[in-house]
Amino acid sequence: AQSVTQPDIHITVSEGASLELRCNYSYGATPYLFWYVQSPGQGLQLLLKYFSGDTLVQGIKGFEAEFKRSQSSFNLRKPSVHWSDAAEYFCAVGANGAGSSNTGKLIFGQGTTLQVKP
Amino acid sequence: DAGVTQSPTHLIKTRGQQVTLRCSPKSGHDTVSWYQQALGQGPQFIFQYYEEEERQRGNFPDRFSGHQFPNYSSELNVNALLLGDSALYLCASSDLGGLGNDEQFFGPGTRLTVL
Repeated sequence: AQSVTQPDIHITVSEGASLELRCNYSYGATPYLFWYVQSPGQGLQLLLKYFSGDTLVQGIKGFEAEFKRSQSSFNLRKPSVHWSDAAEYFCAVGANGAGSSNTGKLIFGQGTTLQVKP
Repeated sequence: DAGVTQSPTHLIKTRGQQVTLRCSPKSGHDTVSWYQQALGQGPQFIFQYYEEEERQRGNFPDRFSGHQFPNYSSELNVNALLLGDSALYLCASSDLGGLGNDEQFFGPGTRLTVL
């Protein structure tokens, strides 16, 4: 069965420091992978996505993620964190239907709460 | 473009009652998915509607049902509410048009509290 694991429930970094949020997935075929961010009282906003091609994906707000098939990982990174980055981050895998297309069903990890120290 | 809108924002019900949540998709989108997000958890897929039919369903009991209207808006109905149904209910819309890789846009959610 498809699943997503985010090993870190809570992470605290200092403003200006680098950030890496971990995500591991379980899936038999080539996955569709996503990172979403959720601020308090807000819905989910897509940061970036990987479908195929270049394994290093650039997203919004200065985030990037690297797909590593050998490690079944899709870790999110940012070189310098800003206080406004404090939020909940979710990794998700898209459930594939016939022909390896994305059916639109997303399976989410438990989330990582990011706290930014001034 | 208003994006995905959901109503109401908050709702308080008692056990055994029924509730209806509403979602209007982003302009141009034809597919609506519903997710349940319990406190401290990631969203869980409930079901997806396309062309006014339930296209796929997650592991939720029949107490959870839905509907999609010709204008692509959608409702989520939950009968015989349980305390465990307390959660944030998220609606997401996309332009899947059957099968595709398009991004899903999420609404702000409806916070349901069951007492």
